[in-house]
Amino acid sequence: EVQLVESGGGLVQPGGSLRLSCAASGFIFSSYSMNWVRQAPGKGLEWVSYISGMKSTYYADSVKGRFTISRDNAKNSLYLQINSLRDDDTALYYCARGSMSYFDFWGQGTLVTVSS
Amino acid sequence: DTVLTQSPGTLSLSPGERATLSCRASQSVDSSYLAWYQQKPGQAPRLVIYGASNRATGIPDRFSGSGSGTDFTLTISRLEPEDFAVYYCQQYGNSLFTFGPGTKVDVK
Repeated sequence: EVQLVESGGGLVQPGGSLRLSCAASGFIFSSYSMNWVRQAPGKGLEWVSYISGMKSTYYADSVKGRFTISRDNAKNSLYLQINSLRDDDTALYYCARGSMSYFDFWGQGTLVTVSS
Repeated sequence: DTVLTQSPGTLSLSPGERATLSCRASQSVDSSYLAWYQQKPGQAPRLVIYGASNRATGIPDRFSGSGSGTDFTLTISRLEPEDFAVYYCQQYGNSLFTFGPGTKVDVK
C-alpha cells in the first residue's frame, strides 16, 4: 500500500524558514517523480514543485528562488526547504507521487502557518 | 502559462442526477496531460481521471472524462451521496503543472 506521510509544518514568522519532509512507503521510491502541492485555507490547489527520480527539478514561479525541493532515495524521503516565508505561503502542503503528468497518490498534508 | 477555468463554480444537484463539469484551457492541452481530482472536506485530493478519459484505480464507471484541445468535461452519470465534493482539473505543460479553481458539487 502506497503511503505518504508529511511532517515539519508549524507556525513561523514572516521571513523565517522551515523544512518539510515526506516519508514514502509501499512503492519503489526512486522510480517515481515526486511533487509538493499546497492549498491555502479555503482555497484551491496550487502546484509548488517537482523532482524526478533522477533529481531534475521544476518550481512554480511563486516560489522560485525561495523553495528548494530535494529527495533522498536511500531514505525514501522527499523534502521541501522553504525560506523567506511570506503570509501568502500559509497553506496545507501535500506531498504527491507523480505518474507521467498527474498525481496519483497524495499524503494528508502538513500545515504551514506564517504569522507574526 | 496555461490557465484553466472551470464552470460552473457550484453545481447543485440531487442524488441520482447527472453532473457535467467543464474545464477550459487558455491554450491547447495535450489530452494525455489532463487530469481530474475529487476532494472532500478535510481530505486530500484523489485522482479520478487521467489522460482526459482514463479512470483511476478504484473509480466507479459512473465517472467519465472527455474532451480535447481546450475543452474538457468530467461527467458523473448518476450522483451517489459520496460524490458530493469539489472537483479540480489539472494540466501539465512546459515543465509546469496548473490546477483549475474547482467546481463544487453540492446537494440541492
